[in-house]
Parts: sequence; structure tokens; C-alpha cells
Amino acid sequence: EIVMTQSPATLSVSPGERATLSCRASQSVSSNLAWYQQKPGQAPRLLIYGASTRATGIPARFSGSGSGTEFTLTISSLQSEDFAVYYCQQYNNWLTWTFGQGTKVEIK
Amino acid sequence: QVQLQESGPGLVKPSQTLSLTCTVSGGSISSGGYYWSWIRQHPGKGLEWIGYIYYSGSTYYNPSLKSRVTISVDTSKNQFSLKLSSVTAADTAVYYCARSSQYYVYFDYWGQGTLVTVSS
Repeated sequence: EIVMTQSPATLSVSPGERATLSCRASQSVSSNLAWYQQKPGQAPRLLIYGASTRATGIPARFSGSGSGTEFTLTISSLQSEDFAVYYCQQYNNWLTWTFGQGTKVEIK
Repeated sequence: QVQLQESGPGLVKPSQTLSLTCTVSGGSISSGGYYWSWIRQHPGKGLEWIGYIYYSGSTYYNPSLKSRVTISVDTSKNQFSLKLSSVTAADTAVYYCARSSQYYVYFDYWGQGTLVTVSS
């Protein structure tokens, strides 16, 4: 099983600032990585797939990068609605899809 | 716009079977091209993929849960279902149904989730 490790566990950021979240895979997942946003009491929402492609309706302030084992989600200028938990998920390893443990982005 | 909605009991007794149904609207399970999955989230924790079903009925389950999981599909009702047997308190979680492409398994549509508590 591929283990996905996200860092940091919690990120304190002021509105308008940039947030950089990391996700590391225990072995290469190529570009088969997705990012999700989850707000309290809600289901996860797909933000990014293919490591860098924004899903439909996702604002341009969200960007993803990386390949292999190292990935980054960047939120260029945090808005109030962006404070949430973010998860990465690999879908490279067929039939064993795994998620990271999440990064909570909180207001500084 | 595809929508998914989970339904089922919110409380299950230990050793019994958890049963949930996901109703899909805005798209047909029978159209193919998609896997229909169950995913759970323990309170305050991360996400765990449970298994998927294809419209044809083919399934695959997370090996860690395989011995207790059954996923079935009813294309006439545009629904798919989860059964998890011999539950314990460790199965208390929010259960989500979700859709992915059969080729790239990231989840683009999710149900709102339903909390299932295992308690006597």
C-alpha cells in the first residue's frame, strides 16, 4: 500500500496570504494525485486531479504541482471560505487508492 | 449535475450488519464508465476507501475490510448499496458514497455523508 504523508498537520495563515501544503508518497505515483477540500460537516470536494488540473468550478487561486513522490497544493491568496481541511489522494496504485491524513488550514 | 444521497440507519448494534444505500440522480449508473464507491471517515480522522462497484456488478474491496464488505447495485433504481458485517465500535464513522472514472480513480462527486454509530 502506498502511504501518503501530508505536512504540516496544521497551517496557520492570515487571509490574503499564500498557503503551501505538501503531500509525499511512499513510492512514485506519477501524476496520479488528487487534492480535496473538506469543510466541517461537508463531504470532500475535488479541487485538483492529475496533480495540477483544476476541477470544474475551482478558482484559479488553487494550484497543484509535483510528480513522482512530492506534491504541493498552493492557495495563492487565502479567502475566508478556504479555511478547511485538505486531503491528497493517490490513484496510481491500481485497486489500492489511499488518502493522506489531511492538513488543516486555520486562520492565524 | 450528478447527485448522490446516502440513506440507512444511523445506529447499529455491535456484531450486526451495517446497511446503507446510495441513490444516484442526474446520471445513470448503467451508462458505464464509472466506479461507484463507498468511503468512510472515522470521527476527526482521515478518509478510508471501502470498495467500489461497476454497473455490471463487478466489485473490488479494500483488503483490510474485504472479509466483511459486500457492495451491490440495483440499476433499475439507480442505487448501489453497502453491507458491512460484524460491526464493532471501530466501524463508527461517516460513510460517503462517491463516483469516479473507471480509468482515473479520483472522486468527482460525493454524497453528503451519513453518520453511522455502532453502539448497544
